[in-house]
Amino acid sequence: EAGVAQSPRYKIIEKRQSVAFWCNPISGHATLYWYQQILGQGPKLLIQFQNNGVVDDSQLPKDRFSAERLKGVDSTLKIQPAKLEDSAVYLCASSLRTVSGNTIYFGEGSWLTVV
Amino acid sequence: KNQVEQSPQSLIILEGKNCTLQCNYTVSPFSNLRWYKQDTGRGPVSLTIMTFSENTKSNGRYTATLDADTKQSSLHITASQLSDSASYICVAQYGNNRLAFGKGNQVVVIP
Repeated sequence: EAGVAQSPRYKIIEKRQSVAFWCNPISGHATLYWYQQILGQGPKLLIQFQNNGVVDDSQLPKDRFSAERLKGVDSTLKIQPAKLEDSAVYLCASSLRTVSGNTIYFGEGSWLTVV
Repeated sequence: KNQVEQSPQSLIILEGKNCTLQCNYTVSPFSNLRWYKQDTGRGPVSLTIMTFSENTKSNGRYTATLDADTKQSSLHITASQLSDSASYICVAQYGNNRLAFGKGNQVVVIP
């Protein structure tokens, strides 16, 4: 079974530039998550989708971050304009559905460095 | 505040030895407790999931325990191997399928 696919794996950009990350969840998984993980910390939820609808985006900095999952399958996370503090790993994860006890599978992450 | 605290922050152990990682959580209403292993440069991988009615769950050389009364969990690694070097993240699920992540226990196994 293929896992959660993310690209690009690494990205270096200058502050005020824009960047986009792509995620393809495990086939059949209705729930998709984007997390931000700063070095030495645990992941922080940015946005959660159920199919193509947003379940939770309360911690998404909407002035610069946006995410979409138009067809309820793959998803894109965009940052524009980037700040130095956005340097982090952006993890995409998916699960069958949003129910208690469901295993959440993570991708390998997209490493962003803003200089 | 819904949060998860892990200790020790980091530890170094000799190959073949055992170690125990601690997790304290304060979330409500509690749903389940998860442990993930995250290798350097990789995404987290699920080790165990325990509901409040489960006291212990094993996955190979990893054994997790849960005390829902004291809101504590531990992850025991038996006969450590070099490949166990990683960050171990405790995650508490609560409320409307929300997750609270700890900062992780950084484990380094040396030969």
